[in-house]
Amino acid sequence: NAGVMQNPRHLVRRRGQEARLRCSPMKGHSHVYWYRQLPEEGLKFMVYLQKENIIDESGMPKERFSAEFPKEGPSILRIQQVVRGDSAAYFCASSSGQGETQYFGPGTRLLVL
Amino acid sequence: QKEVEQDPGPLSVPEGAIVSLNCTYSNSAFQYFMWYRQYSRKGPELLMYTYSSGNKEDGRFTAQVDKSSKYISLFIRDSQPSDSATYLCAMWGSQGNLIFGKGTKLSVKP
Repeated sequence: NAGVMQNPRHLVRRRGQEARLRCSPMKGHSHVYWYRQLPEEGLKFMVYLQKENIIDESGMPKERFSAEFPKEGPSILRIQQVVRGDSAAYFCASSSGQGETQYFGPGTRLLVL
Repeated sequence: QKEVEQDPGPLSVPEGAIVSLNCTYSNSAFQYFMWYRQYSRKGPELLMYTYSSGNKEDGRFTAQVDKSSKYISLFIRDSQPSDSATYLCAMWGSQGNLIFGKGTKLSVKP
C-alpha cells in the first residue's frame, strides 16, 4: 500500500528557470495539500486541492506559483522564474476528505543556484 | 502574535528520561490538535491526534490539551535514541489545512 509519493526528491534549478514538483496521493485519497518548509522554519501551508479544483490557495505567493490536480495524474506545484528564496523543502500531503488525517510524502528539496 | 508557538530547542535528554514538549496557540476556535514526528530529511508522520481538551495515551506517548490555557503537550516516557527527531505540533485551520509550530528538535543520548 504505497504512501504519498513525490518526485523528484531533489531538484536543482538556476535562477529564472521553472520548477515542477509532482505529488501522487495515497490510493483512495482525492484531497491534496502542499506545504513549504524553509530552513529553521516550520511547515507553512500553501494550497489545498481536490480533483480539478483549488479549494484554498491562501498560502500561495501571488506571483510565479501555481498548482493543479487534474482528473488523471499527479498534483503539480509549479514555480516559474525561481529565485534563491524559493530554496526549501516542499511537502505534499493527502487525505480521504476534508478534516481527515493528512499523510505526508517524503518531500522535494529544491535548491536554486 | 503567531497562531502557534513552539520552542525550537534543541532539547537533549539521556535515554530513559521523560520528555515534555509543548505548544501554545492563540486561536480559541482550534478544536483538533496533532503531533507529528519528522526525522531528518523525511516527511512528517502523524503521532497523536486529540480533539478538544483532555488526555490521550498511546504506548509511551501521551498528548494533553488544555483549551482554557491554549496549551498542548506531548509527553514521551522512557525515551529512546530512536525518538530523536523534530516534533511538530499542528492544528486544523478553517479550510482543513494544518497550521504548524516551528518544531522542537529532540536528541535522546544513549
